[in-house]
Amino acid sequence: DAKTTQPTSMDCAEGRAANLPCNHSTISGNEYVYWYRQIHSQGPQYIIHGLKNNETNEMASLIITEDRKSSTLILPHATLRDTAVYYCIVSRMNYGGSQGNLIFGKGTKLSVKP
Amino acid sequence: DTAVSQTPKYLVTQMGNDKSIKCEQNLGHDTMYWYKQDSKKFLKIMFSYNNKELIINETVPNRFSPKSPDKAHLNLHINSLELGDSAVYFCASSQGGQAPSYEQYFGPGTRLTVT
Repeated sequence: DAKTTQPTSMDCAEGRAANLPCNHSTISGNEYVYWYRQIHSQGPQYIIHGLKNNETNEMASLIITEDRKSSTLILPHATLRDTAVYYCIVSRMNYGGSQGNLIFGKGTKLSVKP
Repeated sequence: DTAVSQTPKYLVTQMGNDKSIKCEQNLGHDTMYWYKQDSKKFLKIMFSYNNKELIINETVPNRFSPKSPDKAHLNLHINSLELGDSAVYFCASSQGGQAPSYEQYFGPGTRLTVT
């Protein structure tokens, strides 16, 4: 079972920041927070990951609370193409074995509206 | 160039048949995976495989078997297809091996319909 809790759905206006929360209160010290998204009818796409520190890449920013029990994915300027299901996943780093396998929950369906 | 490709994209077949779905990755990755996404959109891992070990999700029926002719390919064979096998199947790959991997690359999916 997934170890994370996310809202079922969220709306965001085009051009505004989308802030997607995730609770992972049982996260272990060696587990990372990963975010993936799945645009309709496509395979999931990696967005970002983090352990303790906040992270930023060309797609998004990841803010992890100090106690690591929750995090927020931020899409700074959402576009219509960002409409997708966003998955927050807690897992160990993957070294090719069973550890670090991704366990997908229900995710948050983000709808970006014009 | 497509990083992870799957064929066919759509597959319609009758109960009891045996079918295969092919997956190829050109990323030089060591580990490949098969996932199943059912009608309720839950995405669950079925197998992870590298040149060292095959990890099977215990809930996967033994009618499903992955076969890897080489490191770049992981095909999924399904015997005696059942109605409940209807789903979208995704192949994925990651670096694995000695180097840690934080990103899995997914294929476009194969929609299997069993009638």
